[in-house]
Amino acid sequence: EVQLVESGGGLVQPGGSLRLSCAASGFTFSGYWMSWVRQAPGKGLEWVANIKTDGSEKYYVDSVKGRFTISRDNAKNSLYLQMNNLRADDTAVYYCAKSAATAFDIWGQGTMVTVSS
Amino acid sequence: EVVLTQSPATLSLSPGERATLSCRASQSIYSNLAWYQQKPGQAPRLLIYDASNRATGIPARFSGSGSGTDFTLTISSLEPEDFAVYYCQQRNNWPPLFTFGPGTKLDIK
Repeated sequence: EVQLVESGGGLVQPGGSLRLSCAASGFTFSGYWMSWVRQAPGKGLEWVANIKTDGSEKYYVDSVKGRFTISRDNAKNSLYLQMNNLRADDTAVYYCAKSAATAFDIWGQGTMVTVSS
Repeated sequence: EVVLTQSPATLSLSPGERATLSCRASQSIYSNLAWYQQKPGQAPRLLIYDASNRATGIPARFSGSGSGTDFTLTISSLEPEDFAVYYCQQRNNWPPLFTFGPGTKLDIK
Protein backbone atom coordinates (compact mmCIF):
# COMPACT_ATOMS: atom_id res chain seq x y z
CA GLU A 1 0.00 0.00 0.00
CA VAL A 2 1.30 3.43 -0.94
CA GLN A 3 1.52 5.47 2.25
CA LEU A 4 2.98 8.61 3.77
CA VAL A 5 3.04 9.02 7.54
CA GLU A 6 4.03 12.33 9.13
CA SER A 7 5.27 12.80 12.68
CA GLY A 8 6.98 15.40 14.81
CA GLY A 9 4.28 18.00 15.23
CA GLY A 10 3.43 19.60 18.55
CA LEU A 11 3.28 22.78 20.58
CA VAL A 12 6.27 25.12 20.36
CA GLN A 13 6.89 28.66 21.56
CA PRO A 14 7.42 31.53 19.11
CA GLY A 15 11.05 31.55 18.01
CA GLY A 16 11.41 27.85 18.67
CA SER A 17 12.26 24.96 16.37
CA LEU A 18 10.64 21.73 15.31
CA ARG A 19 11.59 18.93 12.91
CA LEU A 20 8.88 17.11 11.01
CA SER A 21 9.38 13.67 9.48
CA CYS A 22 7.50 11.80 6.80
CA ALA A 23 7.94 8.05 6.32
CA ALA A 24 7.15 6.74 2.86
CA SER A 25 6.24 3.21 1.86
CA GLY A 26 4.77 1.31 -1.07
CA PHE A 27 6.57 3.19 -3.83
CA THR A 28 10.11 3.97 -4.98
CA PHE A 29 10.67 7.02 -2.79
CA SER A 30 13.96 7.97 -4.44
CA GLY A 31 12.24 8.34 -7.81
CA TYR A 32 9.94 11.22 -6.92
CA TRP A 33 10.05 14.87 -5.98
CA MET A 34 8.43 15.40 -2.59
CA SER A 35 6.72 18.41 -1.03
CA TRP A 36 5.39 19.80 2.23
CA VAL A 37 1.99 21.51 2.13
CA ARG A 38 0.35 23.20 5.11
CA GLN A 39 -3.13 24.27 6.12
CA ALA A 40 -3.80 26.79 8.86
CA PRO A 41 -6.89 26.11 10.98
CA GLY A 42 -10.01 26.85 8.93
CA LYS A 43 -7.95 28.06 5.98
CA GLY A 44 -6.88 26.82 2.56
CA LEU A 45 -3.87 24.89 1.37
CA GLU A 46 -0.41 26.45 1.04
CA TRP A 47 2.54 24.76 -0.62
CA VAL A 48 5.64 25.17 1.59
CA ALA A 49 8.64 23.48 -0.04
CA ASN A 50 9.75 20.75 -2.39
CA ILE A 51 12.87 18.70 -3.02
CA LYS A 52 14.24 16.89 -6.02
CA THR A 53 14.69 13.14 -6.13
CA ASP A 54 18.36 13.25 -5.09
CA GLY A 55 18.05 16.27 -2.80
CA SER A 56 20.11 18.48 -5.10
CA GLU A 57 17.38 21.07 -5.66
CA LYS A 58 15.08 22.63 -3.09
CA TYR A 59 12.46 25.34 -3.42
CA TYR A 60 10.44 27.26 -0.85
CA VAL A 61 7.50 29.61 -0.58
CA ASP A 62 8.76 33.11 0.22
CA SER A 63 7.26 33.18 3.73
CA VAL A 64 9.50 30.34 4.99
CA LYS A 65 12.74 31.06 3.12
CA GLY A 66 15.69 31.25 5.51
CA ARG A 67 13.69 29.62 8.33
CA PHE A 68 12.64 26.19 7.00
CA THR A 69 14.85 23.51 5.43
CA ILE A 70 13.54 20.54 3.50
CA SER A 71 15.67 17.41 3.25
CA ARG A 72 15.38 13.72 2.50
CA ASP A 73 17.11 10.43 3.21
CA ASN A 74 16.43 8.04 0.36
CA ALA A 75 18.07 5.15 2.22
CA LYS A 76 15.46 5.58 4.95
CA ASN A 77 12.56 6.48 2.61
CA SER A 78 12.07 9.61 4.66
CA LEU A 79 11.34 13.30 4.11
CA TYR A 80 12.04 16.01 6.66
CA LEU A 81 11.19 19.63 7.36
CA GLN A 82 13.38 21.52 9.82
CA MET A 83 11.49 24.58 11.02
CA ASN A 84 13.37 27.31 12.88
CA ASN A 85 12.35 30.70 14.24
CA LEU A 86 8.71 29.63 14.24
CA ARG A 87 5.97 32.24 14.25
CA ALA A 88 2.32 32.16 15.20
CA ASP A 89 1.33 32.22 11.53
CA ASP A 90 3.21 28.93 11.00
CA THR A 91 0.47 27.21 13.01
CA ALA A 92 -1.03 24.63 10.68
CA VAL A 93 -1.47 20.99 9.78
CA TYR A 94 1.59 20.01 7.76
CA TYR A 95 1.17 17.40 5.06
CA CYS A 96 3.87 15.65 3.10
CA ALA A 97 2.90 14.91 -0.47
CA LYS A 98 4.33 12.91 -3.34
CA SER A 99 4.69 14.80 -6.57
CA ALA A 100 3.37 13.36 -9.81
CA ALA A 101 4.72 15.87 -12.34
CA THR A 102 2.42 18.88 -11.86
CA ALA A 103 0.22 17.55 -9.04
CA PHE A 104 0.32 15.76 -5.69
CA ASP A 105 -1.06 12.25 -5.99
CA ILE A 106 -0.36 10.87 -2.52
CA TRP A 107 -0.80 12.74 0.77
CA GLY A 108 -0.08 11.86 4.36
CA GLN A 109 -2.63 12.31 7.12
CA GLY A 110 -0.88 15.43 8.39
CA THR A 111 0.76 16.51 11.62
CA MET A 112 -0.34 19.56 13.63
CA VAL A 113 2.11 22.29 14.52
CA THR A 114 0.98 24.91 17.03
CA VAL A 115 3.15 27.96 17.70
CA SER A 116 2.02 29.68 20.86
CA SER A 117 3.34 30.97 24.16
CA GLU B 1 3.75 34.66 -9.39
CA VAL B 2 0.59 33.00 -10.66
CA VAL B 3 -2.53 33.71 -8.59
CA LEU B 4 -5.50 31.35 -8.75
CA THR B 5 -9.04 32.52 -8.03
CA GLN B 6 -11.98 30.16 -7.56
CA SER B 7 -15.65 30.82 -7.95
CA PRO B 8 -18.07 30.64 -6.40
CA ALA B 9 -16.73 30.62 -2.85
CA THR B 10 -19.73 28.50 -1.82
CA LEU B 11 -22.05 26.45 -3.99
CA SER B 12 -25.26 25.04 -2.57
CA LEU B 13 -26.78 22.20 -4.55
CA SER B 14 -28.83 19.06 -4.04
CA PRO B 15 -27.84 15.44 -4.68
CA GLY B 16 -28.39 14.54 -8.32
CA GLU B 17 -27.71 18.07 -9.55
CA ARG B 18 -24.79 19.11 -11.73
CA ALA B 19 -21.97 21.13 -10.15
CA THR B 20 -19.73 23.49 -12.08
CA LEU B 21 -16.71 24.95 -10.27
CA SER B 22 -14.41 27.54 -11.81
CA CYS B 23 -10.72 28.29 -11.40
CA ARG B 24 -9.02 31.23 -13.10
CA ALA B 25 -5.26 31.87 -13.33
CA SER B 26 -3.69 35.32 -13.43
CA GLN B 27 -1.63 34.30 -16.45
CA SER B 28 -1.53 31.35 -18.79
CA ILE B 29 -0.62 28.08 -17.10
CA TYR B 30 -1.25 25.98 -20.21
CA SER B 31 -2.77 22.75 -18.83
CA ASN B 32 -0.76 22.65 -15.58
CA LEU B 33 -3.81 22.52 -13.33
CA ALA B 34 -5.00 19.99 -10.78
CA TRP B 35 -8.17 19.68 -8.70
CA TYR B 36 -8.46 18.25 -5.19
CA GLN B 37 -11.33 17.32 -2.91
CA GLN B 38 -11.00 17.76 0.84
CA LYS B 39 -13.44 16.60 3.50
CA PRO B 40 -13.31 17.78 7.13
CA GLY B 41 -10.45 16.22 9.07
CA GLN B 42 -9.01 14.52 5.99
CA ALA B 43 -6.10 15.12 3.69
CA PRO B 44 -6.83 16.42 0.19
CA ARG B 45 -7.45 13.84 -2.53
CA LEU B 46 -6.29 14.34 -6.10
CA LEU B 47 -9.20 14.28 -8.54
CA ILE B 48 -7.89 15.75 -11.82
CA TYR B 49 -4.38 16.47 -13.11
CA ASP B 50 -3.16 18.25 -16.23
CA ALA B 51 -6.55 19.99 -16.40
CA SER B 52 -8.57 17.06 -17.71
CA ASN B 53 -7.10 13.71 -16.63
CA ARG B 54 -8.86 11.81 -13.86
CA ALA B 55 -6.61 10.42 -11.16
CA THR B 56 -6.64 6.72 -10.35
CA GLY B 57 -9.90 5.55 -8.83
CA ILE B 58 -11.81 8.79 -9.39
CA PRO B 59 -15.39 8.24 -10.59
CA ALA B 60 -16.33 9.25 -14.10
CA ARG B 61 -18.84 11.82 -12.82
CA PHE B 62 -15.82 14.08 -12.14
CA SER B 63 -14.41 15.83 -15.20
CA GLY B 64 -12.04 18.71 -15.79
CA SER B 65 -11.68 21.06 -18.72
CA GLY B 66 -9.91 24.24 -19.80
CA SER B 67 -6.49 25.53 -20.68
CA GLY B 68 -4.60 28.80 -20.49
CA THR B 69 -6.31 30.83 -17.76
CA ASP B 70 -9.81 29.36 -17.37
CA PHE B 71 -10.59 25.94 -15.97
CA THR B 72 -13.68 24.06 -14.87
CA LEU B 73 -14.36 21.09 -12.63
CA THR B 74 -17.71 19.48 -13.35
CA ILE B 75 -19.49 16.90 -11.23
CA SER B 76 -22.21 15.53 -13.48
CA SER B 77 -24.61 14.23 -10.83
CA LEU B 78 -23.83 14.93 -7.20
CA GLU B 79 -23.60 12.05 -4.77
CA PRO B 80 -23.93 12.65 -0.99
CA GLU B 81 -20.20 12.00 -0.52
CA ASP B 82 -19.27 14.78 -2.98
CA PHE B 83 -20.11 17.60 -0.59
CA ALA B 84 -16.70 18.93 0.39
CA VAL B 85 -14.21 21.70 -0.34
CA TYR B 86 -12.54 21.71 -3.76
CA TYR B 87 -9.18 23.31 -4.50
CA CYS B 88 -7.42 23.99 -7.76
CA GLN B 89 -3.60 24.04 -7.89
CA GLN B 90 -1.00 24.98 -10.46
CA ARG B 91 2.72 24.40 -10.86
CA ASN B 92 5.14 26.84 -12.51
CA ASN B 93 7.12 25.36 -15.35
CA TRP B 94 10.34 26.51 -13.71
CA PRO B 95 11.22 26.86 -10.91
CA PRO B 96 8.75 24.22 -9.77
CA LEU B 97 6.72 26.31 -7.37
CA PHE B 98 3.10 25.53 -6.59
CA THR B 99 0.07 27.62 -5.70
CA PHE B 100 -3.43 26.69 -4.63
CA GLY B 101 -6.68 28.51 -5.16
CA PRO B 102 -8.71 29.59 -2.10
CA GLY B 103 -11.24 26.78 -2.51
CA THR B 104 -14.92 26.32 -3.27
CA LYS B 105 -17.14 24.84 -0.60
CA LEU B 106 -19.81 22.61 -2.06
CA ASP B 107 -22.58 22.14 0.44
CA ILE B 108 -25.95 20.47 0.52
CA LYS B 109 -28.92 22.68 -0.29
